[in-house]
Amino acid sequence: QSALTQPASVSGSPGQSITISCTGTSSDVGSYNFVSWYQHHPGKAPKLMIHEVSKRPSGVSNRFSGSKSGNTASLTISGLQAEDEADYFCCSYAGRDTYVFGTGTKVTVL
Amino acid sequence: EVQLVESGGGLVQPGGSLRLSCSASGFTFSSFAMHWVRQAPGKGLEYLSAISTDGDRTYYADSVRGRFTISRDNPKNTLYLQMSSLRPEDTAVYYCIVSMDVWGPGTTVTVSS
Repeated sequence: QSALTQPASVSGSPGQSITISCTGTSSDVGSYNFVSWYQHHPGKAPKLMIHEVSKRPSGVSNRFSGSKSGNTASLTISGLQAEDEADYFCCSYAGRDTYVFGTGTKVTVL
Repeated sequence: EVQLVESGGGLVQPGGSLRLSCSASGFTFSSFAMHWVRQAPGKGLEYLSAISTDGDRTYYADSVRGRFTISRDNPKNTLYLQMSSLRPEDTAVYYCIVSMDVWGPGTTVTVSS
């Protein structure tokens, strides 16, 4: 499978909202409601922020929200904070016990 | 607290072998599928391999099928990735994951002469 497409970078000022897109195909994002988003600070273990398109694990701030339309999933971070600066990547189930990841987005808080 | 800790990474020559381990704690290891993912320097994440709860079912990406073998030891709460015929392009940070949810911090594999 080909990687899901994400913008290389997104930036915003503290307090603003930003949205990261994750575009796949009808074979992955478009077919399954199993899209996850992870936050990754270099050198640390990636952290699950959203699963099953829009569900937030316990302990994740409600400033993080997810959605999906067709073959594109999105992660929105509202009320941007300095601690949100990290790499974010999406992941979709692609059938037959396989998963495909996004290309990754670097979020910068200005 | 669910924790995963990978080990076994290091420097290996092309054509060599390496076995990665992932020690799990904080959950019932035998009840969850496990996965290996890697990230090469400057590149995106690549989904590599998965194993069912009892080890009966496995999956491999085309890039590693026939060279890598995933296995698990449920009594020891440990996941393994046996890597052979290693290539420079296998150089990456390797992560183990439980249920595509919790990740370990990763272990670095460098394939170079």
